[in-house]
Amino acid sequence: DVKVTQSSRYLVKRTGEKVFLECVQDMDHENMFWYRQDPGLGLRLIYFSYDVKMKEKGDIPEGYSVSREKKERFSLILESASTNQTSMYLCASSSGSYTGELFFGEGSRLTVL
Amino acid sequence: QQPVQSPQAVILREGEDAVINCSSSKALYSVHWYRQKHGEAPVFLMILLKGGEQKGHEKISASFNEKKQQSSLYLTASQLSYSGTYFCGTERSGGSNYKLTFGKGTLLTVNP
Repeated sequence: DVKVTQSSRYLVKRTGEKVFLECVQDMDHENMFWYRQDPGLGLRLIYFSYDVKMKEKGDIPEGYSVSREKKERFSLILESASTNQTSMYLCASSSGSYTGELFFGEGSRLTVL
Repeated sequence: QQPVQSPQAVILREGEDAVINCSSSKALYSVHWYRQKHGEAPVFLMILLKGGEQKGHEKISASFNEKKQQSSLYLTASQLSYSGTYFCGTERSGGSNYKLTFGKGTLLTVNP
């Protein structure tokens, strides 16, 4: 079965802490994505990567960075967490096709106090 | 820029039909549809490509009007399992490859 695994389902962090959200896929997909989901706002794209060490900004990259050192792993980094980054974070992957289906992970719910 | 979905929410009785709309102000290459059940990850339903090719789900259909940059998702003879939030995602023509922008979602509730 296709699988996208996010390392933590629930995290609680303090303002100013550095936060790492990890995502691993086992489908040999070229493309990986980080979305943020907030009630009433839908899914908003933070960053995506179409190849190892390659990354592109999505619609809301401010306050975030990403790392992709290996094909199967895509990390989202909050350098200094703030309360407005409290949210559900969803990782997804897709194959190289321009119109590829996205496979989502279960999500990581981050609370910043 | 997020596509606009309508309605925001709809309540049906089992067996009734529903239509969910998605529109964009930009020229589109494709429209994707996903469904998310409460507490679960979004799941792919369908892709509609510029030029009319359609891929996806057997029991749910959709259309893509390229001139109007609009897509509609049709759910006929709804089942309880159709309940969830439906998202459309759009890829712009001439935009960055792989960049899928989602709408805010439509909450569909199917009651017995």
